[in-house]
Amino acid sequence: GAGVSQSPSNKVTEKGKDVELRCDPISGHTALYWYRQSLGQGLEFLIYFQGNSAPDKSGLPSDRFSAERTGGSVSTLTIQRTQQEDSAVYLCASSLKRPTNTGELFFGEGSRLTVL
Amino acid sequence: KQEVTQIPAALSVPEGENLVLNCSFTDSAIYNLQWFRQDPGKGLTSLLLIQSSQREQTSGRLNASLDKSSGRSTLYIAASQPGDSATYLCATGANSKLTFGKGITLSVRP
Repeated sequence: GAGVSQSPSNKVTEKGKDVELRCDPISGHTALYWYRQSLGQGLEFLIYFQGNSAPDKSGLPSDRFSAERTGGSVSTLTIQRTQQEDSAVYLCASSLKRPTNTGELFFGEGSRLTVL
Repeated sequence: KQEVTQIPAALSVPEGENLVLNCSFTDSAIYNLQWFRQDPGKGLTSLLLIQSSQREQTSGRLNASLDKSSGRSTLYIAASQPGDSATYLCATGANSKLTFGKGITLSVRP
């Protein structure tokens, strides 16, 4: 696609339910990132995928959060047993190379999650 | 741990003014620094990427500079327009986890 695509754009769920957020990166981009942006806060790193390497999960806030990337392309971020503090905008980004190696980050429009 | 600071949090200027947005970081061991723009309810749009070996990058009315030794970057916007109103974020790092500032919300008054 022309850009990073995320779905759903908005999700309202009840506390305790599981949610899945999807990210379709720019075709050919080997690196994929998930960030979280809460109201009044900066972007918080969650997880990073690079090619076939093991993902960097060091930013996941709890074991209720998990993510996978199938076939080196589409990624799904899953939040189990959602809590109200999980309410935020979840942003996905991709790059052709790692940002440490001249790669520029391209972001999707985000998925806004509201946990009631 | 890298910390990125952007001050002030908000800025309002009249149309036509040249302005500078500041970004400071604590760890100078970075690979690059990137400036983004975010419109309300939208994702981030990349504006400029400066490699650690570079001093500045230019795109149209935008010019970004980088001084690693002092831990600073500036985004210069020439002849500001109401359409420039948005939140501007800088991000930097030396590994897979870019650290973002909280952004500067710019309002350009007609």
